[in-house]
Amino acid sequence: NAGVTQTPKFQVLKTGQSMTLQCAQDMNHNSMYWYRQDPGMGLRLIYYSASEGTTDKGEVPNGYNVSRLNKREFSLRLESAAPSQTSVYFCASSGRGHFNQPQHFGDGTRLSIL
Amino acid sequence: TQLLEQSPQFLSIQEGENLTVYCNSSSVFSSLQWYRQEPGEGPVLLVTVVTGGEVKKLKRLTFQFGDARKDSSLHITAAQPGDTGLYLCAGHSGNTPLVFGKGTRLSVIA
Repeated sequence: NAGVTQTPKFQVLKTGQSMTLQCAQDMNHNSMYWYRQDPGMGLRLIYYSASEGTTDKGEVPNGYNVSRLNKREFSLRLESAAPSQTSVYFCASSGRGHFNQPQHFGDGTRLSIL
Repeated sequence: TQLLEQSPQFLSIQEGENLTVYCNSSSVFSSLQWYRQEPGEGPVLLVTVVTGGEVKKLKRLTFQFGDARKDSSLHITAAQPGDTGLYLCAGHSGNTPLVFGKGTRLSVIA
């Protein structure tokens, strides 16, 4: 059971470089989410997609863009990376009824911006 | 903005001790979820509570949802090193995504 798969697991970028984080789920879930996790800050929602074809901003969307490519895939793009975006990024998905359903998380992408 | 405050932020105890961690808010939630996150992994759901006053047990873990559905607690009996991790609560209300607390980082020392 793959669940939620994130790639890459680790990445180091230089300030100003761009990058896309990939996420795919195999549970036929409608909703997908991108979070960042920083020490002492908990999980903060960047963007979410309640269903295929829709995306919405979360708590900290600035500096990011997303694409819900199809029902399985939800990517997060950093157009011009900044040191403040150094973080661990988690993708999650949830099923029918979306927001009150349990979220299933990937194992994260550890991103460092130099 | 709905906020969930978790306490304590850090907790270090000896194996065999009991502990309680708390998740509090000034807002009412229709349901509340508890997750555990181990190093290098994503959070994993432990339980969902939906009814005010509800108590759920998962082996040595007891979860309670406050009567007013504004708070929750997690009690661990006879903690073991395998309980070590970050415990996160997350609340749901209306048609908005889950709101996560900042977590309690538990370390159980053998």
